[in-house]
Amino acid sequence: GAVVSQHPSWVICKSGTSVKIECRSLDFQATTMFWYRQFPKQSLMLMATSNEGSKATYEQGVEKDKFLINHASLTLSTLTVTSAHPEDSSFYICSARPATNEKLFFGSGTQLSVL
Amino acid sequence: LAKTTQPISMDSYEGQEVNITCSHNNIATNDYITWYQQFPSQGPRFIIQGYKTKVTNEVASLFIPADRKSSTLSLPRVSLSDTAVYYCLVGANSGNTPLVFGKGTRLSVIA
Repeated sequence: GAVVSQHPSWVICKSGTSVKIECRSLDFQATTMFWYRQFPKQSLMLMATSNEGSKATYEQGVEKDKFLINHASLTLSTLTVTSAHPEDSSFYICSARPATNEKLFFGSGTQLSVL
Repeated sequence: LAKTTQPISMDSYEGQEVNITCSHNNIATNDYITWYQQFPSQGPRFIIQGYKTKVTNEVASLFIPADRKSSTLSLPRVSLSDTAVYYCLVGANSGNTPLVFGKGTRLSVIA
């Protein structure tokens, strides 16, 4: 099946620094990728839809200047958490669909801990 | 995007069949029903997808009644390794349509 690769698996950073998370579709091209956030013991919450070659679409309540999304190629989307604070500590997961009428594949997630 | 309702948690003994029912009263004509499994600190893993009637694969079966307003995931003979959170999602399979997660069902399998 299709593979969505996410890197890094976990990252620890100091408060005020920025962190970049990469999401790659390894064996298919994805014009659209989705970013989710998950807090402990909670469900996944959709943050934004990443569109190749254009601006991302953010869900209500998600700060676009805080969570910068870049989808510069058909196989790579990045999420940058800018000026991270402890409340940004969470599990971030990306996903993509190989084609219309295909199921959604998810990356393995990135655990971000901000000290 | 259709909203789904599932039991918050379920317990089962090893070797039993587990059925998790999901309600999705507002499902649209072009929506599929997809179930994912998630272990702690991992991304969701696809289990099964269906549109109507019954679908079976090597790990589960999915039963969908004619009105499609609910669905039941059936896990045969569960083992301890099936302890996870199971999500029922409803949505179109178009390229730019995300899936919105509900609360999921936390299944605990007991020896």
